Amino acid sequence: AQSVTQPDIHITVSEGASLELRCNYSYGATPYLFWYVQSPGQGLQLLLKYFSGDTLVQGIKGFEAEFKRSQSSFNLRKPSVHWSDAAEYFCAVGARNAGNNRKLIWGLGTSLAVNP
Amino acid sequence: DVKVTQSSRYLVKRTGEKVFLECVQDMDHENMFWYRQDPGLGLRLIYFSYDVKMKEKGDIPEGYSVSREKKERFSLILESASTNQTSRYLCSIPGGQGAEYEQYFGPGTRLTVT
Repeated sequence: AQSVTQPDIHITVSEGASLELRCNYSYGATPYLFWYVQSPGQGLQLLLKYFSGDTLVQGIKGFEAEFKRSQSSFNLRKPSVHWSDAAEYFCAVGARNAGNNRKLIWGLGTSLAVNP
Repeated sequence: DVKVTQSSRYLVKRTGEKVFLECVQDMDHENMFWYRQDPGLGLRLIYFSYDVKMKEKGDIPEGYSVSREKKERFSLILESASTNQTSRYLCSIPGGQGAEYEQYFGPGTRLTVT
C-alpha cells in the first residue's frame, strides 16, 4: 500500500544550526514527492517538489530536498535554520485512486521548534 | 496568485447543529478537496469533487456530506455536529496543467463542537 512515513514527530534545533527532516515513502511507480510547511494557524504552503530529473531540488525559504530512490527517501534540509522556520512540515507523495483521480498521500508531519 | 478562501477561520457550534463550511476558489479548477487535520493524525481526506455536482468519498467520509453546485464553490456539511468533529478543516485545489498533484490550500477553519 502507498504510504509516507515521517519518523520524527518533534524536532528542536538551535537557530543557525543545520536541519534535516526525514521522509520515507512506499510507492510502486516513480513518485511525485512534495514538502509542505504549515505555520501556526495557517494553511499549508508548498516548499518544494520532485517529479523527475535532478534528484536534489531547491525550494523556497532556503530549503532543499534530495530524492534517493534506493532508500525510498526524500529528506528535507536547510543549512542554517531561522526562528521563523518553526512550523509543522509535511511530506507527501502523489498517487492515483481507484477512479484514476490524482490525490496526495500525506505523512503525519514533523513539528519543528527553534531555540534562540 | 492562486486564491482559496474559506468562509470562517474559527467556528463554534453545538452538538447536533447542522454546520456548513464553505470553500471558494478563483482558479476555475474542476477538482476541489476537503481535509481535516488533527494533531498526530496529519491530514485526512474527507471528500473531493472532480466537477460540478460530482463527488467522491475520501478516507473518512462518515458524518460528512458535500455540495458542489457551482464550479468555484465546494461546501462541507456536518449534518449533525458531534464533539469528535472538533478539528481544523482545510480546503484545497490542485495546481494547473503540469502541476496536477500540487495542492493549494485555504487558511483553514478551526471548528469547535461543544
